[in-house]
Amino acid sequence: AQKVTQAQTEISVVEKEDVTLDCVYETRDTTYYLFWYKQPPSGELVFLIRRNSFDEQNEISGRYSWNFQKSTSSFNFTITASQVVDSAVYFCALSEARNQGGKLIFGQGTELSVKP
Amino acid sequence: EAQVTQNPRYLITVTGKKLTVTCSQNMNHEYMSWYRQDPGLGLRQIYYSMNVEVTDKGDVPEGYKVSRKEKRNFPLILESPSPNQTSLYFCASSLVSPESTDTQYFGPGTRLTVL
Repeated sequence: AQKVTQAQTEISVVEKEDVTLDCVYETRDTTYYLFWYKQPPSGELVFLIRRNSFDEQNEISGRYSWNFQKSTSSFNFTITASQVVDSAVYFCALSEARNQGGKLIFGQGTELSVKP
Repeated sequence: EAQVTQNPRYLITVTGKKLTVTCSQNMNHEYMSWYRQDPGLGLRQIYYSMNVEVTDKGDVPEGYKVSRKEKRNFPLILESPSPNQTSLYFCASSLVSPESTDTQYFGPGTRLTVL
């Protein structure tokens, strides 16, 4: 069965600290896709990154970086030098190639609070 | 600007009064979907559509209807809303390709309260 687990419900850090959000997934598919979305206090869902199961390269985008490890079924997200504007709920999501519905399986989300 | 729009953004209604939440995208995407977000349950798919006149149920379709008469629009219909449909609703769209699942882009959300 497919499942996404974000064990950290809430994280609170002080500005400029680095923070890592954990994501562990379960799937029987050999081809799948992983996503991170950000939900700021205003409520919309903002796409951050998409990763294919056959591409384990880590990615860096500014202060954001993602560590994809198939061996541990993890797709962790690190924010370096966090800022108050990073405060949001972050969702990790999984989609399986065999699923014609294109359904995204979301984790429960991690609420990040960055204090000045 | 490429976007997914939803209307209304906020709605308070009463049990049994039919309502429609509209969703429109300007990216010529084939795939559209509706999700609901509830505390402790995350986001769950309600219905999806692979193309015009092609719709199918997601994980929580009970109490909802959809239609896809045009490529850009995918309205969500609640024929007889009940309080357990109080939720935050998101519409999403993406391209469809046989080789991969494309990124879904979400609308701004509709917060619905059913009294």
